[in-house]
Amino acid sequence: KAGVTQTPRYLIKTRGQQVTLSCSPISGHRSVSWYQQTPGQGLQFLFEYFSETQRNKGNFPGRFSGRQFSNSRSEMNVSTLELGDSALYLCASSIRDRKSSGANVLTFGAGSRLTVL
Amino acid sequence: DAKTTQPNSMESNEEEPVHLPCNHSTISGTDYIHWYRQLPSQGPEYVIHGLTSNVNNRMASLAIAEDRKSSTLILHRATLRDAAVYYCIPNTGNQFYFGTGTSLTVIP
Repeated sequence: KAGVTQTPRYLIKTRGQQVTLSCSPISGHRSVSWYQQTPGQGLQFLFEYFSETQRNKGNFPGRFSGRQFSNSRSEMNVSTLELGDSALYLCASSIRDRKSSGANVLTFGAGSRLTVL
Repeated sequence: DAKTTQPNSMESNEEEPVHLPCNHSTISGTDYIHWYRQLPSQGPEYVIHGLTSNVNNRMASLAIAEDRKSSTLILHRATLRDAAVYYCIPNTGNQFYFGTGTSLTVIP
C-alpha cells in the first residue's frame, strides 16, 4: 500500500511569490490535514479537509489556503511568501471514522521543505 | 484542547527499557491518548494510542493512569533506531496538537 506522497520535496522561493504544495493520501483515506513545522514553533496544525470540505482550521493568516479534490488529493497554497514561511510542510491522511474520531490514526508524508529567500 | 507536559529530553542505553512520561491533566473523557514519534528528517510516525486500558503493539506499550491524567510510553528494548522526538497527544478529532515532545537519545 503506497504511503502519503508529497511533492515537491524541496523548493526555494523568494519573498512575495506564491507556492502550491501537493499531497496524495493513502488510498481510501478521505481526510487530509496539513501541518507546518519550524524550529521555533514546532508542529502547528494548518487545516483539515474531509470529502472536499475544510473541517478544521488552525490559527494561520488567510495567505494559507488549501483544497481537496474528489479523489482526496489535496493542495495547499501560500501566497505572498514571507521569510517566516520557511518551514517543513507536512501532510497527513486518515480514514476519519466518524464513530470514533479520536481513535483515527494519522499517516504522515515526508514533507515539503520550503525555503523563502 | 488538553495541554501536555513531557520532559524535554531523555537518555537510554541501547537494549534497555525506556519509560517516556506524559502529563495530560486537562484531558477530556473522550480524548484518546496518541503517541507519535519523529525521526530526524522524517515526518511523524504513529506509535500507539489508547483510551482507558493499557495497550500493546509491536512497537511499544502504553500505560494509562486510572484517572487518565497521565500516561507512559514504554519501549521495551531501546535500539538506536528509536532515537527520535516522541509526542504525546490527547485527541478527540483529527486536529492533533503537537507539543514540544521528548527528544530520546539512545546510547550504544
